[in-house]
This record gives sequence, C-alpha cells and structure tokens, in this order.
Amino acid sequence: AQKVTQAQTEISVVEKEDVTLDCVYETRDTTYYLFWYKQPPSGELVFLIRRNSFDEQNEISGRYSWNFQKSTSSFNFTITASQVVDSAVYFCALSEPSGSGNTGKLIFGQGTTLQVKP
Amino acid sequence: DSGVTQTPKHLITATGQRVTLRCSPRSGDLSVYWYQQSLDQGLQFLIHYYNGEERAKGNILERFSAQQFPDLHSELNLSSLELGDSALYFCASSVLTGRNTEAFFGQGTRLTVV
Repeated sequence: AQKVTQAQTEISVVEKEDVTLDCVYETRDTTYYLFWYKQPPSGELVFLIRRNSFDEQNEISGRYSWNFQKSTSSFNFTITASQVVDSAVYFCALSEPSGSGNTGKLIFGQGTTLQVKP
Repeated sequence: DSGVTQTPKHLITATGQRVTLRCSPRSGDLSVYWYQQSLDQGLQFLIHYYNGEERAKGNILERFSAQQFPDLHSELNLSSLELGDSALYFCASSVLTGRNTEAFFGQGTRLTVV
C-alpha cells in the first residue's frame, strides 16, 4: 500500500534560518509522482512542485529546493532564509500515474506545521 | 487562483441534515477529485470522477455521495450529518493523461455540523 510519512509535526524557526521538511514515502509502483503542497492559514492548498519517479535531479526555485532520493524513498523540502510568510502547513503527497486504470489520486502525509518567527 | 471554484466557502448546519457542496473544475479538466481534511484523519481522498463517470472511491461514507454532470461540475452530497463530519472539503481537478497528474485545488468548503 502507498504511504507518506512526515515525521515532523511542528517546526519553529526564527526568520532567516534555513529549514528542511522531511518526507518519506512507500510504494510498490515503479512509476509514481511526488508532490509538495502548502496550506497557509487561509486554508487553500497551493501546489509547489511535482516530481516523477524517473527524475532524481534536485530542483531549486528561489528560496525553495527539493531533494529526491529514491534509495532512501525520501523527498525532502528545504526553505532557505525563511520568512514569516512561509508559516504554513506543508504536505507531501504521493500519486500513481493517471491513465491505464490508475486514478491519480493523492496520498497525503500528515503535514508539517512550520512557524517562522520574526 | 487555481481556477477551481468551490461553493459555498462556509456552511453551518445541524446534525441529521443534508448538504450539497459544489465544485467547478478548471476549464478543460475532465477529472474531479474530492478530499476531506479533518483534524483526526488529515487529508483523505474520498472519490474521483472522470468525464461523468466514477473512477475510484476512497474512504467515503455510505451517507456521502457524489456525481459529475455533463458540464463537468461536480457535487458532493452529505446526508444524515454527524458532528464528526465537520471538516474542510476540497475539490481538485486535473487533466487525466498518462503523464500529467498535477491536481489543482479549490479553496475548500468548511463544513461545521452543530
């Protein structure tokens, strides 16, 4: 069965600190997708990144970076020089590919609440 | 703005009642997913529709049902409501292709059962 574990329930940092959110997944599929979503206090789910299982290249987008390691089944998310506006709940999710009978539904981790203090 | 519209944003109702949540997917998206976010269960997949047909069911109670209409909007019906049904209900849409499983979420409907 597919499963996503975000072991860190809450993290608190001071502004400008770097912070890494951990995500470990389980799946028997050889093709799958990994996602990160941000849920700010307003409640909506904001898409941050999608990574497919064949692409282990790390990705950087501004202050955000993602480290995908298939060998350890991890897809960690780092925020560099954190800001107060980064305060939110962050979800890691796993999906089977859509098509060919698969539905593409998302399996979410429990989320990590990040608090960035000024 | 994700392009996915959910109405209403907030809903307060009494136990035993029935409510309908509505979702309009992004233009061109054929897939609609419903998710429930509660404090104890987290974010859980409920049901998936593709072009009007049910494709998959997750942890959806028998008191809950959904449908997708010819214009592709979807409704989630919750009946015989209980206090434990209080949650944030999200709709997401995507283009269901072999490679693209990126789902865009609406802002959610916060349901409070009193």
